[in-house]
Amino acid sequence: EPEVTQTPSHQVTQMGQEVILRCVPISNHLYFYWYRQILGQKVEFLVSFYNNEISEKSEIFDDQFSVERPDGSNFTLKIRSTKLEDSAMYFCASTTGSSYNSPLHFGNGTRLTVT
Amino acid sequence: RKEVEQDPGPFNVPEGATVAFNCTYSNSASQSFFWYRQDCRKEPKLLMSVYSSGNEDGRFTAQLNRASQYISLLIRDSKLSDSATYLCVVNRDDKIIFGKGTRLHILP
Repeated sequence: EPEVTQTPSHQVTQMGQEVILRCVPISNHLYFYWYRQILGQKVEFLVSFYNNEISEKSEIFDDQFSVERPDGSNFTLKIRSTKLEDSAMYFCASTTGSSYNSPLHFGNGTRLTVT
Repeated sequence: RKEVEQDPGPFNVPEGATVAFNCTYSNSASQSFFWYRQDCRKEPKLLMSVYSSGNEDGRFTAQLNRASQYISLLIRDSKLSDSATYLCVVNRDDKIIFGKGTRLHILP
């Protein structure tokens, strides 16, 4: 069964550094998402992406965050200047069509630790 | 009021018992609904979509009540492997919102 893959599985970085989290969505999927989950807390929506542009973003997704689909397969999340509170598990997800009745398929996540 | 609310639990239930969770959502424009399960430190995985007519998948039954804005999940004949956090998920205009989850512990 096709999967969403994320790399790296764990990223440790110093506060103020830039990080790029990488995702390869399922190949025939059209809608892409990033979520984060701080340890012990709920899964929080960050951003949705369709047709090479952001379709929706949350208040968490401020100017420090950006997403890109640089080629036909990768979908990246960049955090420009990391803060301690960015430490979380970051999940990429994709779906075939609009998320209306099309469930999300999640990657295994990248654990980001900011020190 | 939170957009999606769930009882965080934990629900401690003996193996073989039936357990039910509810979830309420605040926005009547919400369009689609799902239950996901999440094991500790793993990604959420789709358990089932939830339809207005109700739907069943083996031991799992999901119901949607649009008038009262809640969805439910019923697990019959619970197994030890059902121990997980169950996430209620609501979609509105391509913004998919997760509840905080209900923790379920199945006791041997």
